Amino acid sequence: EDKVVQSPLSLVVHEGDTVTLNCSYEVTNFRSLLWYKQEKKAPTFLFMLTSSGIEKKSGRLSSILDKKELFSILNITATQTGDSAVYLCVLNNAGNMLTFGGGTRLMVKP
Amino acid sequence: EAGVAQSPRYKIIEKRQSVAFWCNPISGHATLYWYQQILGQGPKLLIQFQNNGVVDDSQLPKDRFSAERLKGVDSTLKIQPAKLEDSAVYLCASSLQITSNTIYFGEGSWLTVV
Repeated sequence: EDKVVQSPLSLVVHEGDTVTLNCSYEVTNFRSLLWYKQEKKAPTFLFMLTSSGIEKKSGRLSSILDKKELFSILNITATQTGDSAVYLCVLNNAGNMLTFGGGTRLMVKP
Repeated sequence: EAGVAQSPRYKIIEKRQSVAFWCNPISGHATLYWYQQILGQGPKLLIQFQNNGVVDDSQLPKDRFSAERLKGVDSTLKIQPAKLEDSAVYLCASSLQITSNTIYFGEGSWLTVV
């Protein structure tokens, strides 16, 4: 059975800090790993990772995948209060079945 | 491009009552998903459709939950009778094909069972 574990469960930082969110996984047939940001409504797509070692970057957010060690990280630099959300790591297997991690709740204080 | 539409956005019912949620996926998306997200947890897949066929419903509590996608476009999820533990957000999502990597979510239907 595919599995996704995220850490930490929650995190409180101050504006301007840099945070690293962790995601480890177990999968039989890997297709991709996805990161989503969830505020009060639907998860919004951040990144899709399919290859090891290639960093995906969007503004202050970046993510990288290690398929050998079976983990991914999501980095947020110079955090802002608008970054406060739950960040979901999602595993997509070859059958296009999604397995969600429990999420990391990030709170950024002014 | 219009996103995944869901209704109602919010619903409060008493236990043992029934409720139905509707989802209209992005136009042309063949794959449709229903997820249940309980507060503080990640979404859990209830059922996945490919066009009007069920791909996976292994985690759907079939004694009380049912879902259909008769014409392969929009879908309804029904709970009958509801229990207190069904209080959750029900997220509908769609993707272009079963092989697509990116899945788009609706805004969710928030259910409270009292």
